[in-house]
Amino acid sequence: QVQVVESGGGLVKPGGSLRLSCAASGFTFSDYYMSWIRQAPGKGLEWISYISSASTVYYADSVRGRLTISRDNAKNSLYLQINNLRAEDTAVYYCARDRPYSGYARYFDYWGQGTLVTVSS
Amino acid sequence: EIVLTQSPGTLSLSPGERATLSCRASQSVSSNYLAWYQQKPGQAPRLLIYASSSRATGIPDRFSGSGSGTDFTLTISRLEPEDFAVYYCQQFGGSSFTFGQGTKLEIK
Repeated sequence: QVQVVESGGGLVKPGGSLRLSCAASGFTFSDYYMSWIRQAPGKGLEWISYISSASTVYYADSVRGRLTISRDNAKNSLYLQINNLRAEDTAVYYCARDRPYSGYARYFDYWGQGTLVTVSS
Repeated sequence: EIVLTQSPGTLSLSPGERATLSCRASQSVSSNYLAWYQQKPGQAPRLLIYASSSRATGIPDRFSGSGSGTDFTLTISRLEPEDFAVYYCQQFGGSSFTFGQGTKLEIK
């Protein structure tokens, strides 16, 4: 069965950095685009980045310059490096499966349980 | 950036009733790029509808999606107790995604 599992969240001081990981299983990871989506406490969903099956990357304007998304197809893993963390980055970060390289419609059909990032001094 | 506005913000209904949730886009969205999600407290979102009107795997047929251009609708024909949750619409355009702010469906 398809599964994505995030890890790497925690408490970080403002200005610090963090690397989140997402382990995928149950599907051909290299065939799929993957995204990171976050949700601040009590707030709505915010897409922040996606990476294509060919490793082309895209970022939301709100986070561009501080985030780096990457993937390791040999390890079936997705990563998100977040630098210069701010209080407003406090959120649950979800990894989600996006479209297959051969697909067209864009949506997120499998989500992990999320990993909480708290930015506080 | 395309802004999605969902209405109402909160919808109070009883089990068995019909729910109609609206999602309006600030500019036209391709029907292939509009999806709906359900989220319950403490859980990840769950895909309900993709490409405006296609039900995701395992989603009951009481859930349906419709619309085109800038106006999209999620309809739940007869509410079950487990349907009370927050619902989000999502679009893709210009190499980025946006979500609506959500509609909370609560028990009346």
